[in-house]
Amino acid sequence: AQSVAQPEDQVNVAEGNPLTVKCTYSVSGNPYLFWYVQYPNRGLQFLLKYITGDNLVKGSYGFEAEFNKSQTSFHLKKPSALVSDSALYFCAVRDNSGYSTLTFGKGTMLLVSP
Amino acid sequence: ETGVTQTPRHLVMGMTNKKSLKCEQHLGHNAMYWYKQSAKKPLELMFVYNFKEQTENNSVPSRFSPECPNSSHLFLHLHTLQPEDSALYLCASSQTSGRDQETQYFGPGTRLLVL
Repeated sequence: AQSVAQPEDQVNVAEGNPLTVKCTYSVSGNPYLFWYVQYPNRGLQFLLKYITGDNLVKGSYGFEAEFNKSQTSFHLKKPSALVSDSALYFCAVRDNSGYSTLTFGKGTMLLVSP
Repeated sequence: ETGVTQTPRHLVMGMTNKKSLKCEQHLGHNAMYWYKQSAKKPLELMFVYNFKEQTENNSVPSRFSPECPNSSHLFLHLHTLQPEDSALYLCASSQTSGRDQETQYFGPGTRLLVL
């Protein structure tokens, strides 16, 4: 079975500071990894994904994530946070077998203070 | 969000009512999904349709009945729901081949309240 852990319910950061939202995963075989963001009363928006290739993945709105196979992690990062980045962030994983569906973490609320 | 639309955006219904949620995707995808999002719980996958065929049903109670008449439309028919079914219901779609396969695109959701 595949699973995702987002160990922090909430991350607080000041505007202009770097931010990290943590994600670790468990999957048999090679993982496909995703980050989504959800603003209040909205659906999930795709931010970025890792399928294969370069371990550092760049996505929308200046976000990036680093795939670390040995630590089974896929942390989301941004060098300089904006107040408008405040939202709920979800990490998701599936294996590459072609038969599994996405498993989502429980989400991490990011609060960026002015 | 204009790629995947959902109607209605908000719905209040009694436990004896029958209602339907509608999802439409304008992305040319061939897979569609229903998810349930409840407060403080991970996203729960309910149903998956691939080329209009249901490929997954995650032990969802029969009071939820999906319908996929074509690859662009997905419905969720609701009847005799319980208050604990109150949640945000999200629809998503994806392509199962090609460069953007695996990425699911979500609609804005229907906020359902069961009284």
